[in-house]
Amino acid sequence: GAVVSQHPSWVICKSGTSVKIECRSLDFQATTMFWYRQFPKQSLMLMATSNEGSKATYEQGVEKDKFLINHASLTLSTLTVTSAHPEDSSFYICSARWTSGSEETQYFGPGTRLLVL
Amino acid sequence: KQEVTQIPAALSVPEGENLVLNCSFTDSAIYNLQWFRQDPGKGLTSLLLIQSSQREQTSGRLNASLDKSSGRSTLYIAASQPGDSATYLCAAESYNTDKLIFGTGTRLQVFP
Repeated sequence: GAVVSQHPSWVICKSGTSVKIECRSLDFQATTMFWYRQFPKQSLMLMATSNEGSKATYEQGVEKDKFLINHASLTLSTLTVTSAHPEDSSFYICSARWTSGSEETQYFGPGTRLLVL
Repeated sequence: KQEVTQIPAALSVPEGENLVLNCSFTDSAIYNLQWFRQDPGKGLTSLLLIQSSQREQTSGRLNASLDKSSGRSTLYIAASQPGDSATYLCAAESYNTDKLIFGTGTRLQVFP
């Protein structure tokens, strides 16, 4: 299957700082990537859809000014958590959509664990 | 709006049992449905993907079925093993939303 990487795999930061997470599709091009957030013992919640060359589409309740998404190329999307606070501590997972003919699927990255002190 | 639910929320069984995990979705116009496994503190491992035109997929001891008319998918695990212990998530992608929506998950424990 296709490979999606995330960097860093974990990060600890002080409250008020900004953190950037990278999501890369290593062996295919993805015009669409997705960012999810998962709190402990909960399921994945979609935060936003990242579209190459255009603005991201955010889900209801997700602050676009706090979670900045940039999809500058067909293989890279970045999520920046600005002015992070302890309540932003979570597991962030990205996925990249692979399309072939009439079939498509999402391949997921290994996740980034963020801890804000 | 697509909503995905899974039952049971948790399951604890002895080794060797055959298991059925259930997933229900409200929007039957789905593009595909996936089953994932997630170990504690880890990312997702894709288990099975069922396209809209398919009714089931099999991989080893795992079999997943899809019934769009009733809005259900079932993951069948044969001869369960302690190594199967994990959280199992189903996720449906529908034509109407073009998004993958995850279910609530089933936490499985298989004891020796």
